[in-house]
Amino acid sequence: AQTVTQSQPEMSVQEAETVTLSCTYDTSESDYYLFWYKQPPSRQMILVIRQEAYKQQNATENRFSVNFQKAAKSFSLKISDSQLGDAAMYFCAYNFGNEKLTFGTGTRLTIIP
Amino acid sequence: EAQVTQNPRYLITVTGKKLTVTCSQNMNHEYMSWYRQDPGLGLRQIYYSMNVEVTDKGDVPEGYKVSRKEKRNFPLILESPSPNQTSLYFCASSSGQGPFYGYTFGSGTRLTVV
Repeated sequence: AQTVTQSQPEMSVQEAETVTLSCTYDTSESDYYLFWYKQPPSRQMILVIRQEAYKQQNATENRFSVNFQKAAKSFSLKISDSQLGDAAMYFCAYNFGNEKLTFGTGTRLTIIP
Repeated sequence: EAQVTQNPRYLITVTGKKLTVTCSQNMNHEYMSWYRQDPGLGLRQIYYSMNVEVTDKGDVPEGYKVSRKEKRNFPLILESPSPNQTSLYFCASSSGQGPFYGYTFGSGTRLTVV
């Protein structure tokens, strides 16, 4: 079974600084999809970024970018110029096939003013 | 506005009293799913549906039922709730035959069973 591991339960960063959240996953597949979701205190789940495993180029969305290392099965999220509104729980997720997304246990990010 | 609507947002109930959490999407998505979120466990899939009248178990289906009689609706039924079903529940939908593009989530239902 595929598993997703987020080894950092909590992280903190100074406002305007850069922070990287780690995610590793276990799969024997070659074509799959990876995601980062943000869950602010409102508890709404918001898609931050999506990566297709067959694409070499790392996905980016404004201040959010990923470092996708396929051989290492690593999918970290970098947040540049951190803002107070970035404070949230972040979930990494994996998908192969048509059944589901498999989620990690989450990293709670605190922004220090 | 494209969205997944879940109701209620909060629910407190007693052990054994049947309840239904409703979920509706207006995006004509074929795929819908239910998850529960618990601290330290992330989100775990309860049930999913790939189309009308097609449902299947996820990772933690015990104690839950679902139905998909219409494309837009996917209610979650707890026939005899127990305290271990106290959790945050999310309904989600996705375009296509599966969640390759990620989910659109509802706003969640905080369920407490006493």
